[in-house]
Order: sequence, then structure tokens, then C-alpha cells
Amino acid sequence: GENVEQHPSTLSVQEGDSAVIKCTYSDSASNYFPWYKQELGKRPQLIIDIRSNVGEKKDQRIAVTLNKTAKHFSLHITETQPEDSAVYFCAASKGNTDKLIFGTGTRLQVFP
Amino acid sequence: GAGVSQSPSNKVTEKGKDVELRCDPISGHTALYWYRQRLGQGLEFLIYFQGNSAPDKSGLPSDRFSAERTGESVSTLTIQRTQQEDSAVYLCASSWGSGGREQYFGPGTRLTVT
Repeated sequence: GENVEQHPSTLSVQEGDSAVIKCTYSDSASNYFPWYKQELGKRPQLIIDIRSNVGEKKDQRIAVTLNKTAKHFSLHITETQPEDSAVYFCAASKGNTDKLIFGTGTRLQVFP
Repeated sequence: GAGVSQSPSNKVTEKGKDVELRCDPISGHTALYWYRQRLGQGLEFLIYFQGNSAPDKSGLPSDRFSAERTGESVSTLTIQRTQQEDSAVYLCASSWGSGGREQYFGPGTRLTVT
């Protein structure tokens, strides 16, 4: 079945620096790739998503890139702030179902 | 409007007991999902309901787990003869239709099996 690998498991950066989280997926039929942010004790919330017909998408300080050939996608956060500290999950799904297969998560810590 | 709600927020049960977890999706959302999140781990897909279609049960870990949904409203996840390894946060999510749409998560039910 579909498998999503996510790296790194933890990431510490200084405020203002950039952070990059990478994911790879196994099923070439996957065509929807969301990223969720989960703060401690809270529910996951969608921060950005990308579909397979697009190579890059940007929303203010957050961007996602997708390489379908290599089956990997990445989250880029620029000018990090302490409030960006959370666990970030990537996920993948196929077109006829929204069953999301999640990565194992990246704990991002932004130090002031 | 109201988001996805789940009850109870916390449940402590003895090993071997049955538990029932409830999810109320956002009104009008036709798709509903259950996920399990063990401590410090990612979200594990359990089951997916879409309208009147047969549910996708491919993520249920054993026959002790079952779920039902009444039309396009409330869903219940039942775990029979609970085991300690069932301890986790059970998250429900809902979305408009299918085909890569944002899933809105509930606050989860933290299940502890003693």
C-alpha cells in the first residue's frame, strides 16, 4: 500500500532562518499532497496543499514543491517565527478517495 | 459555523471493555474519516465514509474495530474488548465531497486502556 516517509523527525532553527521538511511517497497514482500543522495538544490544521498538476505553490512565508518524477515533495518555511514551532505532517492521497496517508511528522522548534 | 466535534474528550477504560467514540462532522460535509494517533506518532488512517458509498475499511487494525455513520451525519467508532495497545488519540475529520479536499479535524478523543 501507499507509504509516506518524512524527514527530518526533529528540526531546530533560529528565528528568521528557513526550515525545509521533505517527504517521499510510494504510490505514483497519488495526486493530492497536503501539509498539516499540529500544535501541542491541538488538532491538525491544514496549512498548504498541492495537486499533482502543479510543481510549486506559495502562500506568504510557506511554500510547497512537488517532484512527481522523483515522488517527493517539500515544505519550505521562510523567516521562521517562534509561533511556527509545532509538529508538521505531510500526507498523500489518490484522486478517487481522500484517504490520507500521513508521514511520521517533523517537530520544528524555532528559537528566538 | 461549528467545527467537527467529538465526544468524549477523554476516556479511560479497563482492558477487555468495549468503548464507543462519537464524531459530529461539519454540517453538509459528505465525507468523514477516522484516524488514530499514538503518542508522538503520525496519524494512521482507520476508515472513510463518503455519502452512501460503501465505507473504506482498509485501515481498521482488527475485527475488534468497527464504525458506522448515519447518512451524512454523526459517526461512531466502536472498539470491542479493548487492549492496551488501543490507547491513543482517535481523530475524526470531515470534508466536502472527495477528490483532494481539505479535511477538518475534530479535537480528538484520548483513549487510555488500563
